[in-house]
Amino acid sequence: AQSVAQPEDQVNVAEGNPLTVKCTYSVSGNPYLFWYVQYPNRGLQFLLKYITGDNLVKGSYGFEAEFNKSQTSFHLKKPSALVSDSALYFCAVRDSDSGGGADGLTFGKGTHLIIQP
Amino acid sequence: NAGVTQTPKFQVLKTGQSMTLQCAQDMNHEYMSWYRQDPGMGLRLIHYSVGAGITDQGEVPNGYNVSRSTTEDFPLRLLSAAPSQTSVYFCASWDISYEQYFGPGTRLTVT
Repeated sequence: AQSVAQPEDQVNVAEGNPLTVKCTYSVSGNPYLFWYVQYPNRGLQFLLKYITGDNLVKGSYGFEAEFNKSQTSFHLKKPSALVSDSALYFCAVRDSDSGGGADGLTFGKGTHLIIQP
Repeated sequence: NAGVTQTPKFQVLKTGQSMTLQCAQDMNHEYMSWYRQDPGMGLRLIHYSVGAGITDQGEVPNGYNVSRSTTEDFPLRLLSAAPSQTSVYFCASWDISYEQYFGPGTRLTVT
């Protein structure tokens, strides 16, 4: 079974400072990992994914994430936060051992990111 | 290219009423799914489909039905609405890359 945890309900960061949103996962095979962002009253938007290859993945809006297999983590990062980054962020995982793959992703509960001016 | 569209955007139902939430995608994706989003619970999978004519249950299927007669459409039916089904519903589609594309959501209130 696959699962994902986002240990922080909310992260507060001052504008211009680096930000990190944490995500850990559990799979029996190899993980496919994703980050999505949700702005108020909108659907989720894809930010980035890790399937294989380089552990540092770069995505949209200047975000990046680092895959750490030994710590089973996939933390989302940005070097300099903007007020417009304030949103709800979801980490998601899929286990490569999940057979046909049709049931999609398992999502974390989300982390509210608040960037203070 | 509209991506994933959902209708209606808002709906209020009385307990016991039935309704259908519509979802359509124009990306020719094989896979589609329905999620519900509740505060503090993330997204939970209701039903999903691997192609026209093939559907299966997700994590929270009770009280919902789906069908997939075409690649483009994946409607979600509430058989007899209950207050516990008050939620925001998202439809998504994806291909073998697993990158899911989400619709804008339907906010449902059951009184």
